[in-house]
Amino acid sequence: NAGVTQTPKFRILKIGQSMTLQCTQDMNHNYMYWYRQDPGMGLKLIYYSVGAGITDKGEVPNGYNVSRSTTEDFPLRLELAAPSQTSVYFCASSYPPGTRNYGYTFGSGTRLTVV
Amino acid sequence: TQLLEQSPQFLSIQEGENLTVYCNSSSVFSSLQWYRQEPGEGPVLLVTVVTGGEVKKLKRLTFQFGDARKDSSLHITAAQPGDTGLYLCAGNNFNKFYFGSGTKLNVKP
Repeated sequence: NAGVTQTPKFRILKIGQSMTLQCTQDMNHNYMYWYRQDPGMGLKLIYYSVGAGITDKGEVPNGYNVSRSTTEDFPLRLELAAPSQTSVYFCASSYPPGTRNYGYTFGSGTRLTVV
Repeated sequence: TQLLEQSPQFLSIQEGENLTVYCNSSSVFSSLQWYRQEPGEGPVLLVTVVTGGEVKKLKRLTFQFGDARKDSSLHITAAQPGDTGLYLCAGNNFNKFYFGSGTKLNVKP
């Protein structure tokens, strides 16, 4: 099992450019999430999805968009990149909260720098 | 402000010592998880606690969920250099999800 796969691992963007961070999981998890991790700040939720066709905002959604057309894929779109979006982005998936041994499976992250 | 406060932020100890990391909140959580993260990698789930007062053990690691489901602790007995990493707590209440800012642990040989 590959688990959660994120691409790319590293990316440098210029201010104003756009890009899509890809995330796919093969565990048939209903829930998928996008987090960003800034140094010393823990993880902050950007968007999450409870199933195909359903997405909702997290704590820090501004400047991002998501879609969930299949159970497996949950891409994150950055429009008009800004230096404040320099961060490490993690995609995660899980069974629904309340299920036994609920918890996230994380991808290995995308390190994004906006210059 | 952080909904989940972890303490201490940094901990540097010698191999063989014991330590406790705390995760506190004023909010009630349906469940709380602990993760360990190594540099350049995503966090890895260690444990999930769901019942107030619950205690779970994972080898030398002991996790406790507070009676009121607002706080949790992680105790490591006889720490080893392999325990070095960033320890994160995370809580959820239905479809609200939060992480603490982490405790960076360094265990010196």
